[in-house]
Amino acid sequence: AQKITQTQPGMFVQEKEAVTLDCTYDTSDPSYGLFWYKQPSSGEMIFLIYQGSYDQQNATEGRYSLNFQKARKSANLVISASQLGDSAMYFCAMREVGGYSTLTFGKGTMLLVSP
Amino acid sequence: GAVVSQHPSRVICKSGTSVKIECRSLDFQATTMFWYRQFPKQSLMLMATSNEGSKATYEQGVEKDKFLINHASLTLSTLTVTSAHPEDSSFYICSASRLAGGPSSTDTQYFGPGTRLTVL
Repeated sequence: AQKITQTQPGMFVQEKEAVTLDCTYDTSDPSYGLFWYKQPSSGEMIFLIYQGSYDQQNATEGRYSLNFQKARKSANLVISASQLGDSAMYFCAMREVGGYSTLTFGKGTMLLVSP
Repeated sequence: GAVVSQHPSRVICKSGTSVKIECRSLDFQATTMFWYRQFPKQSLMLMATSNEGSKATYEQGVEKDKFLINHASLTLSTLTVTSAHPEDSSFYICSASRLAGGPSSTDTQYFGPGTRLTVL
């Protein structure tokens, strides 16, 4: 079974609107971390936001917020006030805290922001 | 803070040659570094994890004799693709973490800009 599932291969949004990118995860580990990364066409992976499994509040970083619903095992990324520069591939990732704490990535969602 | 560089950004080589890719953490000491491979329009696949001063841990299906990893210092890890073949052509990307992996590790991985390898 996939550990990280991103069901939206592509998403379109108009500039200045908000968009939600979906991510569900599967783990039996009580302690884990969830990450979102942005990958523009240049290829670099840009860290956006982190949510720990024991965090009581949803993480926020500027225009990015993470809608963490632990019981549903979902960690959706919300981008408010989309900008043209937000067009990129977005990856959800999970680290199960054990071993070397490696990251497992979802397949990604391509976001296109139109004027 | 948390800047990771990779060199070279692009490399084209002939089949059978070896290619070395460097990954450096510029403003922090990286106890753990990770090497990923990404094919076009696909996600990142972890190849190996290396902790400074110890042998790398390779993921299942990754040939350790073909992809040599050396984590020589707290700021430098290298990936050498030995006897490269066209099927090794891919985007290789490293990441670095401040803390050693383990049950209490919650550190973020910071990624380098990647290296695009083309083997002719």
